[in-house]
Amino acid sequence: NAGVTQTPKFQVLKTGQSMTLQCAQDMNHEYMSWYRQDPGMGLRLIHYSVGAGITDQGEVPNGYNVSRSTTEDFPLRLLSAAPSQTSVYFCASSYSGQGNQPQHFGDGTRLSIL
Amino acid sequence: GENVEQHPSTLSVQEGDSAVIKCTYSDSASNYFPWYKQELGKRPQLIIDIRSNVGEKKDQRIAVTLNKTAKHFSLHITETQPEDSAVYFCAARSAAGNKLTFGGGTRVLVKP
Repeated sequence: NAGVTQTPKFQVLKTGQSMTLQCAQDMNHEYMSWYRQDPGMGLRLIHYSVGAGITDQGEVPNGYNVSRSTTEDFPLRLLSAAPSQTSVYFCASSYSGQGNQPQHFGDGTRLSIL
Repeated sequence: GENVEQHPSTLSVQEGDSAVIKCTYSDSASNYFPWYKQELGKRPQLIIDIRSNVGEKKDQRIAVTLNKTAKHFSLHITETQPEDSAVYFCAARSAAGNKLTFGGGTRVLVKP
């Protein structure tokens, strides 16, 4: 049982490049989410999904796309990277998005955009 | 949407003293309030949580209190130890949605 697995752990991109951050969980969780963490700003929700085939926007969705074709995977896509997207990205999952279901976080992806 | 404010942003305490972190939230429909601890370079990890139908919850040296009327909740750490040094985040989840909103974090330093 690996929990929430994120790849890659580190990535450096040039402005305008695209890439996909991978997130997978093996806990059969319905709810998955992506956050970005910037110094002094806590964790901000980018996108989330309440189940396969369903996604929705969070607090800071611009510049990011997501899809949820399976229960296990929830990739985050940067279509045209910008320096403002330099951040640490965390994927999280929980049994559901309601009630007192705790979220389990992955180890994060440190992304630098030059 | 929900707005969560957290204070203080930094907190320095002597080993053995208590630490208190306070959060306020804006959405009166919020019903779940977790606290996460994040060590340097690591993932946030849940340390304690509370639901809106409970006023206080304890787990060894950690306790959380909730005041629904005032819309604020607090984390109390007693008998602090150096390993308590970390960044702590509060969060709130509204009953109406699926979003968990985080506070800005508190960096706690426990001095030996």
